[in-house]
Amino acid sequence: DIQMTQSPSSLSASIGDRVTITCRASQSISSYLNWYQQKPGKAPKLLIYAAYSLQSGVPSRFSGSGSGTDFTLTISSLQPEDFATYYCQQSYSTPPTFGQGTKVEIK
Amino acid sequence: QVQLVESGGGLVKPGGSLRLSCAASIFTFSDYYMSWIRQAPGKGLEWVSSISSSGTTIYYADSVKGRFTISRDNAKNSLYLQMNSLRAGDTATYYCARGSYTDPFDIWGQGTLVTVSS
Repeated sequence: DIQMTQSPSSLSASIGDRVTITCRASQSISSYLNWYQQKPGKAPKLLIYAAYSLQSGVPSRFSGSGSGTDFTLTISSLQPEDFATYYCQQSYSTPPTFGQGTKVEIK
Repeated sequence: QVQLVESGGGLVKPGGSLRLSCAASIFTFSDYYMSWIRQAPGKGLEWVSSISSSGTTIYYADSVKGRFTISRDNAKNSLYLQMNSLRAGDTATYYCARGSYTDPFDIWGQGTLVTVSS
């Protein structure tokens, strides 16, 4: 199975900050990398697919980059509604696997 | 609005069985792979199983293989997960999602909680 490792596991940031979350795959997954946002008590929501494609309806302050084994999710200017847990997921091979999550908290 | 609604969760004793259902609306259900993904309390996301649009191709996580069965009824726009020989470690919120192991999970249900406890 492909292991996905996110860093950091949590971070504290202020409104307006630029936030970067990284995700590393245990082997190359080309660009088969997706990012999800999950708020407490809610289902995950797809933000970014295929490493850098923005899902319809997702604000443009979210962006993704990377290929191979190293990927990044960036929030250009953190908004109050962005405080949540973020997960990466590889869709390169079965079983699809998720990172352990990165919790973004208010500073 | 595209929607997935799960049902069937609840409290069950170890060794027991439960059948989860997921009703889809608005999109053409029969065109898409569908999957079950679970999340143990306070933990991360774990893919459980996926089924092709026709139901002919199925994949399971090793942790549930031989105990869980995924199925679908395209005439009823419904996805199912039959869970047998349940263990405490199966306690989780179970989500149905549109997508598969090669596609992003772009639509999620609200989840249904399964608790395995004596």
